[in-house]
Amino acid sequence: EPEVTQTPSHQVTQMGQEVILRCVPISNHLYFYWYRQILGQKVEFLVSFYNNEISEKSEIFDDQFSVERPDGSNFTLKIRSTKLEDSAMYFCASRSGATSYNEQFFGPGTRLTVL
Amino acid sequence: ILNVEQSPQSLHVQEGDSTNFTCSFPSSNFYALHWYRWETAKSPEALFVMTLNGDEKKKGRISATLNTKEGYSYLYIKGSQPEDSATYLCALNTGFQKLVFGTGTRLLVSP
Repeated sequence: EPEVTQTPSHQVTQMGQEVILRCVPISNHLYFYWYRQILGQKVEFLVSFYNNEISEKSEIFDDQFSVERPDGSNFTLKIRSTKLEDSAMYFCASRSGATSYNEQFFGPGTRLTVL
Repeated sequence: ILNVEQSPQSLHVQEGDSTNFTCSFPSSNFYALHWYRWETAKSPEALFVMTLNGDEKKKGRISATLNTKEGYSYLYIKGSQPEDSATYLCALNTGFQKLVFGTGTRLLVSP
């Protein structure tokens, strides 16, 4: 069964460093998302991406964040200068254009630890 | 700010017990409600997409109901098994791109 994959599973970085989190969505999907969960808090939406552009973003998704689909298969989230409060589990999700009710399929997450 | 709440936050039951959790949401923002099952280190797994008031969906021993007028959904597990241990997340779909998640209910089933 097709699945969303994410790499790495765990990333440790120093404050101020750039990180890139990678996702491979399900191959025929058209819509892509990033969410995150800070420990003990709710899963929260960051950004959605369709047709090579951002379609919606949350107030969390400021200029430090960017997304890209560089090669038609990978979908990346870049954090330019990490802060301590960026430590969280980051989930990628995708959905096909065929589902009316936005059924999103999630990857296993990347745990980002900022020291 | 949309607020989706789940209760209880955690639950510990014995194998064979039946259990249920609640997800409440603002009914004025409803488009669909999603239930996910999330085991640690695995991908959240889609269980149900609920769209119509009065909907009832079933997958094996797990079922869910929906009341859009009063803004809640129940998830039921009949005869819980240790492999049902996971966090159960509900997420509100308002018709736009994002899903708005609840806090989750962490279920532990002891043999």
